[in-house]
Amino acid sequence: KNEVEQSPQNLTAQEGEFITINCSYSVGISALHWLQQHPGGGIVSLFMLSSGKKKHGRLIATINIQEKHSSLHITASHPRDSAVYICAVSSSGGSNYKLTFGKGTLLTVNP
Amino acid sequence: DSGVTQTPKHLITATGQRVTLRCSPRSGDLSVYWYQQSLDQGLQFLIQYYNGEERAKGNILERFSAQQFPDLHSELNLSSLELGDSALYFCASSAYPDRVFGYTFGSGTRLTVV
Repeated sequence: KNEVEQSPQNLTAQEGEFITINCSYSVGISALHWLQQHPGGGIVSLFMLSSGKKKHGRLIATINIQEKHSSLHITASHPRDSAVYICAVSSSGGSNYKLTFGKGTLLTVNP
Repeated sequence: DSGVTQTPKHLITATGQRVTLRCSPRSGDLSVYWYQQSLDQGLQFLIQYYNGEERAKGNILERFSAQQFPDLHSELNLSSLELGDSALYFCASSAYPDRVFGYTFGSGTRLTVV
């Protein structure tokens, strides 16, 4: 079992829909990251969180430390949101400065 | 532009060859991380440097090596290349080595081994 599991693997939505991507992890973490990777490859860091909730524009990230679960929400989705969204964790203790990644969720938003 | 510069963007080379990938971290960041993204394995941590010294090692093959120079740029050397080494190689930088202060990623180097 991977240390970081994401669901769904693929997600297709219509423009304007509310989108949720889930991430579960099995290790102790110091922080959880949500990353966005567009076709063409570049990776952008969206959020880093260790508790609670963060919001940036139409993006919201939440984390429940007790349940070892995080969600990324996109409100009023738009075709430009189409990308791969990757959950990553920094493990607590030891090498807590390296990231362990989920496999990613491919989001396609149709107009 | 994220502030992390990776060169070259694309590299095509033959099996058995050696290549060097370069990364310049964001201004002020002392820590550099190398990651490999392949179709079957996804993103994997390779190695981390902080202020010129190796700090952590991940799934890095013995054929691969890296270093960080006094000006903080880093190079990842890949030798005796195999077809399976074809992947996207990302560099990321952060301000601190052992506090999660946030990462900035470069745009990656796409390596194709033929």
